[in-house]
Amino acid sequence: DTAVSQTPKYLVTQMGNDKSIKCEQNLGHDTMYWYKQDSKKFLKIMFSYNNKELIINETVPNRFSPKSPDKAHLNLHINSLELGDSAVYFCASSQDAGRAITDTQYFGPGTRLTVL
Amino acid sequence: QKEVEQNSGPLSVPEGAIASLNCTYSDRGSQSFFWYRQYSGKSPELIMSIYSNGDKEDGRFTAQLNKASQYVSLLIRDSQPSDSATYLCALYNTNAGKSTFGDGTTLTVKP
Repeated sequence: DTAVSQTPKYLVTQMGNDKSIKCEQNLGHDTMYWYKQDSKKFLKIMFSYNNKELIINETVPNRFSPKSPDKAHLNLHINSLELGDSAVYFCASSQDAGRAITDTQYFGPGTRLTVL
Repeated sequence: QKEVEQNSGPLSVPEGAIASLNCTYSDRGSQSFFWYRQYSGKSPELIMSIYSNGDKEDGRFTAQLNKASQYVSLLIRDSQPSDSATYLCALYNTNAGKSTFGDGTTLTVKP
């Protein structure tokens, strides 16, 4: 059983389109994240949700909107895609970022987004 | 200044040697420190975590933490070609509820 899963694995789309990436974790974790890893392999946090509530929102364009229907799911919707959005997007989860001293994160396999 | 700085790579060592990866950080509120390994085209995976000053050993890996000097390092003994990957340093500030990752150091172990 995959602990953190993402769909799709690959996404190729035209500029200006709107797309969504889905993430699910079956670890019973309270906190989920979205990261962007660019072509230089820099891993940057975008959002963090704890029990369906947004707790971290880094400086990302408001074209990116996370949605958490329940604590096992965190989806990422991107409007009006731009060339610079091309990257690998990783979803991750951890047990409880709010209270635990530890924050071991478990990453999904990533979604490679290519904007043409 | 970046919150988490890792030694610039790429780092190349011969098989069997010790690989030393270093990381310095600026947030004194950080309480937990992690090393993740990321193979090309794959997702990061945790290999070591450390919370107290000193050394922590796990097989061929040793993490070292010095909070006063604000650095954490990872030593890989008897390096193997399968250790070739990018190593990401990460820290966690419980009060802020925030994890921060370094930019990574790419290690190549040559047979």
